[in-house]
Amino acid sequence: KQEVTQIPAALSVPEGENLVLNCSFTDSAIYNLQWFRQDPGKGLTSLLLIQSSQREQTSGRLNASLDKSSGRSTLYIAASQPGDSATYLCAVYNNNDMRFGAGTRLTVKP
Amino acid sequence: DAGVIQSPRHEVTEMGQEVTLRCKPISGHDYLFWYRQTMMRGLELLIYFNNNVPIDDSGMPEDRFSAKMPNASFSTLKIQPSEPRDSAVYFCASSRAGSTGELFFGEGSRLTVL
Repeated sequence: KQEVTQIPAALSVPEGENLVLNCSFTDSAIYNLQWFRQDPGKGLTSLLLIQSSQREQTSGRLNASLDKSSGRSTLYIAASQPGDSATYLCAVYNNNDMRFGAGTRLTVKP
Repeated sequence: DAGVIQSPRHEVTEMGQEVTLRCKPISGHDYLFWYRQTMMRGLELLIYFNNNVPIDDSGMPEDRFSAKMPNASFSTLKIQPSEPRDSAVYFCASSRAGSTGELFFGEGSRLTVL
């Protein structure tokens, strides 16, 4: 059974810092991995989708990488802003099942 | 596109009452998923449909839970009778292609059972 772990559970940084969020998974036979953002009381917003054949995806200040062999993905946020404060979740898809990590709660202080 | 639309956004009910949550997926998406989110258990997949047909309902916690998708633009999740431990945020999500497609979520329905 796929298990997805996100470290750290919470992170607080000053505005302008570059930061990395980590996601690890136990079964490397995945179809894709998706990073989401969730604001309090809101649904999940898709940030980046990495197919199993890809190594990374970029969108603006966000860059997500995927290393299937080691069961790891990272989400890099450049020049963080207070508006980036949210919970970030990764989800992996395999065997017709999508498993979510518990998320990393990010706070960017002005 | 309006995105995935869920209703109601908030529901407060008493134990034993029937609860019906509704979802309209993004037009053209052929997969629909129902998730439940709690602080203790995070996001859990309850059931998903492909072309209106339930494919995997192994995540449905009990027989009190049922889900239907009568057509490509509408799905319901019903809890009867409801219990306090059903209190959670229920999300609906849809995608165009199940294994490689991007997943889009609705805003969720926050259920409180007293």
